[in-house]
Amino acid sequence: AQSVSQHNHHVILSEAASLELGCNYSYGGTVNLFWYVQYPGQHLQLLLKYFSGDPLVKGIKGFEAEFIKSKFSFNLRKPSVQWSDTAEYFCAVDSGGGADGLTFGKGTHLIIQP
Amino acid sequence: GAGVSQTPSNKVTEKGKYVELRCDPISGHTALYWYRQSLGQGPEFLIYFQGTGAADDSGLPNDRFFAVRPEGSVSTLKIQRTERGDSAVYLCASSSGPRIAGANVLTFGAGSRLTVL
Repeated sequence: AQSVSQHNHHVILSEAASLELGCNYSYGGTVNLFWYVQYPGQHLQLLLKYFSGDPLVKGIKGFEAEFIKSKFSFNLRKPSVQWSDTAEYFCAVDSGGGADGLTFGKGTHLIIQP
Repeated sequence: GAGVSQTPSNKVTEKGKYVELRCDPISGHTALYWYRQSLGQGPEFLIYFQGTGAADDSGLPNDRFFAVRPEGSVSTLKIQRTERGDSAVYLCASSSGPRIAGANVLTFGAGSRLTVL
């Protein structure tokens, strides 16, 4: 079965620090990749997605992610974080096989200290 | 509507009781999904509807869980004989069309938090 691994469950950074959150998936075929974010007290929102084409995708609020097929990875990055980026971040994969839903990682709780 | 609406936002029940959770997807969205999110975990897939039919219910944990979408819009997740382990946030999501080469972009609701005492 498809699985998604997020390496860091809790990350604490200071404002203006650079961010990279790891995400690896297990499926070897064609995949569609997503990062969702959940701000405190809010619902899950799409941050960015990769379907095909340029493996470096840009999302909202200055976030970007790079799809590296050979490493089965889709890491999330932001060059300079802000206090408002404090949230839970989820990587998700749609493999096109098995269940019709997305497979999510366990999430990374990001805390930005002012 | 403007977004995915879920009711109730919070539900506290006793072990053994029956519970219904409702989802009202974005108007015109034909695909509807139910997920369950336990504390410290990511959302786990339960069931997917395309129109009125359940296209995939492989994520339902057991036969106490059932979901319907009789008119292809609002969906209800039904849990019989609730157990303490059913406590979680139940998320609903919708998308504008059926899966096309896996190109799902889901819009999530705020969830229904179920607590079974």
